[in-house]
Amino acid sequence: DIQMTQSPSTLSASVGDRVTITCRASQSISSWLAWYQQKPGKAPKLLIYKASSLESGVPSRFSGSGSGTEFTLTISSLQPDDFATYYCQQYNSYSLFTFGPGTKVDIK
Amino acid sequence: QVQLVQSGSELKKPGASVKVSCKASGYTFTSYAMNWVRQAPGQGLEWMGWINTNTGNPTYAQGFTGRFVFSLDTSVSTAYLQISSLKAEDTAVYYCATNVVPAALYAFDIWGQGTMVTVSS
Repeated sequence: DIQMTQSPSTLSASVGDRVTITCRASQSISSWLAWYQQKPGKAPKLLIYKASSLESGVPSRFSGSGSGTEFTLTISSLQPDDFATYYCQQYNSYSLFTFGPGTKVDIK
Repeated sequence: QVQLVQSGSELKKPGASVKVSCKASGYTFTSYAMNWVRQAPGQGLEWMGWINTNTGNPTYAQGFTGRFVFSLDTSVSTAYLQISSLKAEDTAVYYCATNVVPAALYAFDIWGQGTMVTVSS
C-alpha cells in the first residue's frame, strides 16, 4: 500500500504569513493528489485536486504543486479563516485512496 | 444544490449494530460512486471504501472487511453504511463523500455533514 506523510504535523503561524505544507507518497502517484481543509466539527472541504488545480470557489491564496512523490500546499498570505487542519489524499489504482495524517495550522 | 445529508448521531452498546444513511440530492445519484470515510475522535481521516451506485458493487479498504457493509436504495438516492458487532474502537464520525465534478477526478468534492457513532456500555 502507498503510505502518505505530511510535514510538519503542527505549524504555528501569524496572519499574513506564507505557509507551506509538504506531503510525500511512498511511491509515485503521478498527480493524483488532493488537499482538504477541515475545521473542528465540520466535514473536510476540497481545496486542490490533481495536485495543482484549484477547486471552484476556493480563494486564490491557496495553491498546490508537485508530482510523483512530493507535493506542497501553499497559502500565500494566511487569513484568520485559514486556521484549520489540512490533509492530503492520494489515489492509485491498487489501494485506491489514502489520506495523510494531517497538518494543524494554529495561531502563533 | 448538490448535497449529501446524513442521519443523526447514534449511541450503541458493544455488540450491537448501526446503520448510517446518506441521502443525495441535486444530482443523478447513480452516476457517481459513494465513498465512506471514518474519523475517530482527535484523529485523521481514513478511507473505508466505496460503492458503485450504478451496480451496487462495494469495495472495502483494508481494515474494513467483515463487519462493514455498504448498500444502496437507489429509489430514494440513499447510501447506507452498516456496522455490526460494534466495538468501542468503532466510535468515530462517519462521512459519506462523492465526486460530481468530472475534472476533479479522484477527489471528494461533496461531503455529508458526518454522523457520530458512539459505542459505549
